[in-house]
Amino acid sequence: GIQVEQSPPDLILQEGANSTLRCNFSDSVNNLQWFHQNPWGQLINLFYIPSGTKQNGRLSATTVATERYSLLYISSSQTTDSGVYFCAVPYSGGGADGLTFGKGTHLIIQP
Amino acid sequence: DAGVTQSPTHLIKTRGQQVTLRCSPKSGHDTVSWYQQALGQGPQFIFQYYEEEERQRGNFPDRFSGHQFPNYSSELNVNALLLGDSALYLCASSPDKMNTEAFFGQGTRLTVV
Repeated sequence: GIQVEQSPPDLILQEGANSTLRCNFSDSVNNLQWFHQNPWGQLINLFYIPSGTKQNGRLSATTVATERYSLLYISSSQTTDSGVYFCAVPYSGGGADGLTFGKGTHLIIQP
Repeated sequence: DAGVTQSPTHLIKTRGQQVTLRCSPKSGHDTVSWYQQALGQGPQFIFQYYEEEERQRGNFPDRFSGHQFPNYSSELNVNALLLGDSALYLCASSPDKMNTEAFFGQGTRLTVV
């Protein structure tokens, strides 16, 4: 199956800082999702972004499908941004598959 | 729209027992997938159900089985529980179309003692 690698594994920043999280995947995919997992375990949908760039407030994401990576940008970080960020792609590349997740980036925003 | 709902939220079972977890998909969704998330790891795909049949399966033993009902809700059953089955179990739903977004429930935290 597809391999998904996320970097960095851990990131500690001060409130107000900007950050870039990276997701590399090993094969062609036709969808990609970014999630934020809150302390209670709920996976919150951030972006569905098979290609191109999307923005939602202080967050934006870019996927370059031909080069097999995606980036999540967080600007002007707030303490509520803390948590684990996951990217996920279809299990075998097909659009209706279950998802393969990376190991996540654990983000801590300090006041 | 209630979103994806799972029950129960927490569960404690004894090694060797059997457990059933339940999931109701988001309105308009007919495909349900189950995931296991061990502490400190990303979710791992267990299997996917569509039209009441298992359509795709990850690398999990036969002790893990499931069911989907005509109303698209689903159950995950785990037999002969092991200590290593302790994890957060997540359910996701999506419409059966190519390239669509999956939405997750809040999870069931299973502890095996």
